[in-house]
Amino acid sequence: SQTIHQWPATLVQPVGSPLSLECTVEGTSNPNLYWYRQAAGRGLQLLFYSVGIGQISSEVPQNLSASRPQDRQFILSSKKLLLSDSGFYLCAWSVVPGTGELFFGEGSRLTVL
Amino acid sequence: GEDVEQSLFLSVREGDSSVINCTYTDSSSTYLYWYKQEPGAGLQLLTYIFSNMDMKQDQRLTVLLNKKDKHLSLRIADTQTGDSAIYFCAETTGGYNKLIFGAGTRLAVHP
Repeated sequence: SQTIHQWPATLVQPVGSPLSLECTVEGTSNPNLYWYRQAAGRGLQLLFYSVGIGQISSEVPQNLSASRPQDRQFILSSKKLLLSDSGFYLCAWSVVPGTGELFFGEGSRLTVL
Repeated sequence: GEDVEQSLFLSVREGDSSVINCTYTDSSSTYLYWYKQEPGAGLQLLTYIFSNMDMKQDQRLTVLLNKKDKHLSLRIADTQTGDSAIYFCAETTGGYNKLIFGAGTRLAVHP
């Protein structure tokens, strides 16, 4: 069966520090991968998606970047965090073709102080 | 542009039915979804409906789709305390299984 792992689960970082959140998927090949952010009291905003190794599409201009060094690994990074980067980050995967269902990780809560 | 809107809060009594409403904008969405998020966790798919359907029933859940008005609703029958969570409506857009989510409706179930 397929599983998705996301870490760290909780992170507190000072403004200006770097960030690396990692997500790995098991039990499937060539998935589409996604990073979403959920700000406090708001919906989910799609940040990045990837349809293959090294292929990253950015949905919104921001202080973050994403990389996909391996088929089932998706990394969210920042060189210098801003206060506005605080939020709950969710990694997800899906298979194409299919019903478009996204399978989410448990999330990483980032607090920037 | 793409936008999914839903009310932010709903309070119901245990045993009553809950109805969560959503409006979307992308009429080309092939599927529309309802996801559930429990506190501090990721999202889990509750149910989805294909765009050529008007209704889908799955145990206590009933999804109604009005394509003309771009309106989607989720009805939970016999609501239980375990149903307390945030419910997100989502549409697909632009290919690659990109989902656009609403802000979520927080369902509170009280005795």
